[in-house]
Amino acid sequence: SQQGEEDPQALSIQEGENATMNCSYKTSINNLQWYRQNSGRGLVHLILIRSNEREKHSGRLRVTLDTSKKSSSLLITASRAADTASYFCALRGGGADGLTFGKGTHLIIQP
Amino acid sequence: GAGVSQSPSNKVTEKGKDVELRCDPISGHTALYWYRQRLGQGLEFLIYFQGNSAPDKSGLPSDRFSAERTGESVSTLTIQRTQQEDSAVYLCASSRQRGQETQYFGPGTRLLVL
Repeated sequence: SQQGEEDPQALSIQEGENATMNCSYKTSINNLQWYRQNSGRGLVHLILIRSNEREKHSGRLRVTLDTSKKSSSLLITASRAADTASYFCALRGGGADGLTFGKGTHLIIQP
Repeated sequence: GAGVSQSPSNKVTEKGKDVELRCDPISGHTALYWYRQRLGQGLEFLIYFQGNSAPDKSGLPSDRFSAERTGESVSTLTIQRTQQEDSAVYLCASSRQRGQETQYFGPGTRLLVL
């Protein structure tokens, strides 16, 4: 089934640096979303990008989507310790009601 | 409501017992979703409700799993004769309507089957 794959699996950077995570997928999508999960609990929706969009911004977040390469990236600028979490891309394909999640990127921001 | 709530937060049970997990969606949200997350993994879609009907049960892993929903409110996920491989965090999400892109997640129920 359709599933995004995040890369890298884990990322450790210094506070203040930028963090970039990538998501690749295999089939067509209606939209792609990024979620954050702290401590293995509930997910928080970060940003949604539609298939006809190429880039979106929300605060310190920047998401790009390249449908020709079937990939998306999430950039967090000026990282903070509170950004430490797991980040998942989630896909909604045609006709599908549930989201399909990847395994996530575990981001650690070191003070 | 303030957000999606789930209960219990944690559940430890013995293999073979039945468990019921509860989800209270955000008031007014007609769509409700259940997901399972095994340790270190992404989320697996289990089942989706629109109102109190479940048009998509494709993700339920076995006939030991069932779910119901009362109107456009509370949902319960029941796992019968639990197995150790059922140990996971069970997450519930709701959205305003079917196809509404943003899903709002509850904190999850962490289930441990001994």
